[in-house]
Amino acid sequence: AQKITQTQPGMFVQEKEAVTLDCTYDTSDPSYGLFWYKQPSSGEMIFLIYQGSYDQQNATEGRYSLNFQKARKSANLVISASQLGDSAMYFCAMRDTRTGANNLFFGTGTRLTVIP
Amino acid sequence: EAQVTQNPRYLITVTGKKLTVTCSQNMNHEYMSWYRQDPGLGLRQIYYSMNVEVTDKGDVPEGYKVSRKEKRNFPLILESPSPNQTSLYFCASSFDRHSYEQYFGPGTRLTVT
Repeated sequence: AQKITQTQPGMFVQEKEAVTLDCTYDTSDPSYGLFWYKQPSSGEMIFLIYQGSYDQQNATEGRYSLNFQKARKSANLVISASQLGDSAMYFCAMRDTRTGANNLFFGTGTRLTVIP
Repeated sequence: EAQVTQNPRYLITVTGKKLTVTCSQNMNHEYMSWYRQDPGLGLRQIYYSMNVEVTDKGDVPEGYKVSRKEKRNFPLILESPSPNQTSLYFCASSFDRHSYEQYFGPGTRLTVT
């Protein structure tokens, strides 16, 4: 069965510091995709970054990078130089490969608070 | 502007009163889906559609119906809402079932009393 685990309900980080949000996953499928989404207090879901299981390099998008460790089945999100606007809920997700559709399994989320 | 729209954004209703939450996208996307978000549970998929007239159950379909009569619209129907369907609902779409980027609507906050 596929599963996404986020063990940090809440995290605090000082402004301008880097922070790592943990995500582990479980799947028996060799082909999968991993995502991170940001949900600010306004409620919308914002796509941040994607990593395919066969991608050789860790994905990066601006201040976001995905630390992909396949053997450990982890896909941690690293946010560099945190800003106050980074305060939000962050969800790790994996594409559901059971159906061949574009369905996503989500973790329970980590609430990040950036301290000025 | 490319977007996914949902209506209404907020709704308070009573148990048993049928309601429909609409979802529309203007990007000619084949794939659409509905999720619900509950505290401590993340987002869970309710139904999805890979194309017109093609729909299938997600992980939590009980108490919901959907239809996909045209490509741009994917309404979520609650025939007899119950308090345990109080939740934040998201519609999402992508170009097709292979596209990794999904566009989410703004969410609909539903309260059933």
